[in-house]
Formats: sequence, C-alpha cells, structure tokens
Amino acid sequence: DAKTTQPNSMESNEEEPVHLPCNHSTISGTDYIHWYRQLPSQGPEYVIHGLTSNVNNRMASLAIAEDRKSSTLILHRATLRDAAVYYCILRALTSGAAGNKLTFGGGTRVLVKP
Amino acid sequence: NAGVTQTPKFRVLKTGQSMTLLCAQDMNHEYMYWYRQDPGMGLRLIHYSVGEGTTAKGEVPDGYNVSRLKKQNFLLGLESAAPSQTSVYFCASSIRRENTEAFFGQGTRLTVV
Repeated sequence: DAKTTQPNSMESNEEEPVHLPCNHSTISGTDYIHWYRQLPSQGPEYVIHGLTSNVNNRMASLAIAEDRKSSTLILHRATLRDAAVYYCILRALTSGAAGNKLTFGGGTRVLVKP
Repeated sequence: NAGVTQTPKFRVLKTGQSMTLLCAQDMNHEYMYWYRQDPGMGLRLIHYSVGEGTTAKGEVPDGYNVSRLKKQNFLLGLESAAPSQTSVYFCASSIRRENTEAFFGQGTRLTVV
C-alpha cells in the first residue's frame, strides 16, 4: 500500500474550520483516498473518501489536488466532539476482503479549544 | 442498531492463559476483520474473513487464531497470552464491495501481566 504522511497534531478553535493535510506522493491511479477518525476510547469511524474529484458529505469535505499527490480533509465548523485522531488511508481498488482492509498510519491528533 | 459488538470490553490475563474475544455484527456483512492498536499507534490487521468458514492472515497474525463459524460472529483466540499482546483489539465489518466503509466495534482492552 502507498504511504501517507500527516502532521502529528493540529489545534483549532471551536466553530472555526479545520484543514487537515495528507501527502501521498506515491499514490497510484487506482488508489482511493479514505479518511477515518477515532474519538477517545472508541473505534475508528468512517468520515469520507474520494478518487479524483472533491467530495462533500454531512461530516466533512475532501479536497484532492489535481495531481492527486496530496489531499485535505476540511471540517467546516469544528466542535468539541470533533477532537479525535484523523487517519488518511489509501486503498487500492482490489477485489475481495483484502482490498477492503485498512492500513493505518499515525494520523493527526486534532485538539479543539473552546 | 447494535452494529458491531465486542465482548468483553476489558480483560486482564496472566501470561500463558488463553482467552477468546467475540465480535458480533448484526448488519449481515460478509467481511470481518480483527485489528490491534498499541499505545500511540495506528491499527494493525491481525486476521480477516471473507465469509462464513473462511479466514486469512493479516499483517500481525502470530500468536492468534480466528474462527468464523457463523456469518455474524468472528472470534479471536489467544492460546497462550504474552505481555506483548497487551493492546486494544478492534473488530470491524463491511459489505462485500470494493472501497466500502468499515464499521468498527468499541474495542477490547486486554492486559497481559
């Protein structure tokens, strides 16, 4: 699996946007970019994923660079509940359960200040 | 909706003891996974299953065995626990489709002394 690089931590103020960068310079053409987050003492939860175009859902937006070598997860208005570790993960378009497995790096710990 | 349920939530074992962690999902998912997470680290895949009666090794399978006798359950066994297996264990499941989201349980915190 291609490797991702994320900052170890970021701080944000409540109700302000948070931009979480992820570098994946060795991404292949069929790799999808997935984001999961892990709240304290909980299992990871899915946030969003995309291939080439920017994506939006109720939780966040995903902006993907034109060359796909980097992406940014955007939390539009951070709340205290958004304090978590955010993982950027590349998943190859491979059939079977092995293709759906997730390879986690260290992630970015987001601290939201009131 | 229960989703993915792990049993037990906490356990302390002595070195050499055995135990089984149970993962149950009520979403009729074909794929199931066991991960472990050591302090300050990301999750690592132990074993996974593509369906009832089938299992496969992940990234760190040594010291663990798994079984999937029923579609909804995925069991993780430790035959002879070691301190290096002290970790938080997470189970996950997903439908049988590429690039779909995985649903995780709340985790089992295991300490081996």
